[in-house]
Amino acid sequence: NAGVMQNPRHLVRRRGQEARLRCSPMKGHSHVYWYRQLPEEGLKFMVYLQKENIIDESGMPKERFSAEFPKEGPSILRIQQVVRGDSAAYFCASSPLAGNEQFFGPGTRLTVL
Amino acid sequence: GQNIDQPTEMTATEGAIVQINCTYQTSGFNGLFWYQQHAGEAPTFLSYNVLDGLEEKGRFSSFLSRSKGYSYLLLKELQMKDSASYLCAGLNSGYSTLTFGKGTMLLVSP
Repeated sequence: NAGVMQNPRHLVRRRGQEARLRCSPMKGHSHVYWYRQLPEEGLKFMVYLQKENIIDESGMPKERFSAEFPKEGPSILRIQQVVRGDSAAYFCASSPLAGNEQFFGPGTRLTVL
Repeated sequence: GQNIDQPTEMTATEGAIVQINCTYQTSGFNGLFWYQQHAGEAPTFLSYNVLDGLEEKGRFSSFLSRSKGYSYLLLKELQMKDSASYLCAGLNSGYSTLTFGKGTMLLVSP
């Protein structure tokens, strides 16, 4: 049973480009969560999704950031017109039910030049 | 949401016992998780407390007092591989999202 998968593991973008981060939850998990971790900082919640629905996006910046979890395929976190401050590790987690233990993927390390 | 407070770093010796404390605001609380995170890696689940008391799992135990907004993670028989960041996270009621503390960096020395 494969764990949570994220790709790419490392992503380099220049300022103004778009970044697309992908997350495939564990088999049987329909709840997906995205977190951002800045150097020397804790994990910050961004968005919580179920299939085809955004449940809670209270941690998501209002501009340039969007997330989806389509009926088929992985969840996508999209960052438009990236800036240097977007450089961080982005972790995805999944759970079988709301409120259960969340299993984390290996993360995508985004570097904006 | 909740404010989660935990010490920034701690040091301990191999074979010893260490207790990492975590305090939080009790409003909107629905449970408390502990995760371990090695540098450059994903957090891994250690424990979950929803009721008051002590949960023991091998060398690791976690305690919760809901009335005091207080939890601790107890690590026994420390090993070098236990050097990592330990994250306390509150489970928010409603949407069941997690609010993480900044983590406690534990350094185990020989």
